[in-house]
Amino acid sequence: DAGITQSPRHKVTETGTPVTLRCHQTENHRYMYWYRQDPGHGLRLIHYSYGVKDTDKGEVSDGYSVSRSKTEDFLLTLESATSSQTSVYFCAISESGFNTGELFFGEGSRLTVL
Amino acid sequence: GIQVEQSPPDLILQEGANSTLRCNFSDSVNNLQWFHQNPWGQLINLFYIPSGTKQNGRLSATTVATERYSLLYISSSQTTDSGVYFCAVRSGGSYIPTFGRGTSLIVHP
Repeated sequence: DAGITQSPRHKVTETGTPVTLRCHQTENHRYMYWYRQDPGHGLRLIHYSYGVKDTDKGEVSDGYSVSRSKTEDFLLTLESATSSQTSVYFCAISESGFNTGELFFGEGSRLTVL
Repeated sequence: GIQVEQSPPDLILQEGANSTLRCNFSDSVNNLQWFHQNPWGQLINLFYIPSGTKQNGRLSATTVATERYSLLYISSSQTTDSGVYFCAVRSGGSYIPTFGRGTSLIVHP
């Protein structure tokens, strides 16, 4: 199994509070991704990273920011959580971005915004 | 961008039955994976199969890249096969995997 750890695994917070989800990998893979999964929408890409300090937006990036200061850590921040950000968040990693290399997922983080 | 369509969207089987899940994509790909999301939400890698055929126990997969489709075969299904099966592709030097909407499988005992 790929060494990917997401934390926290479960979080309940209130509207307007900041939230940070952490993805930690031990594989030294270059590419990291944050997805959210909601019923009826499948997996949607929030942000991704193609190296330390190199990040870009996905299809649902509004309201989210990311940072990657080390190869092993990719942080997803909700500056001011809203109820629409209640979701399950998955981190994924890939050794190679271009056409080759498997994608591996973390266990997911369930976030509830009240 | 590339489009990925999975069929059928839903499938209900009795234990022991066989099934075929399909993934069609709209452009050439150099990377294709099948995932199983179990009822507990874990996303499990099944196959990395940009072309050709692979088998792993009761599961096998075939990708015909020139015809832009991939098939996942499940034989002698078990209740533990229940969940959602996703196909994901990458093409054209893209960093970004594109996922299908998935096939939801329920296997009854």
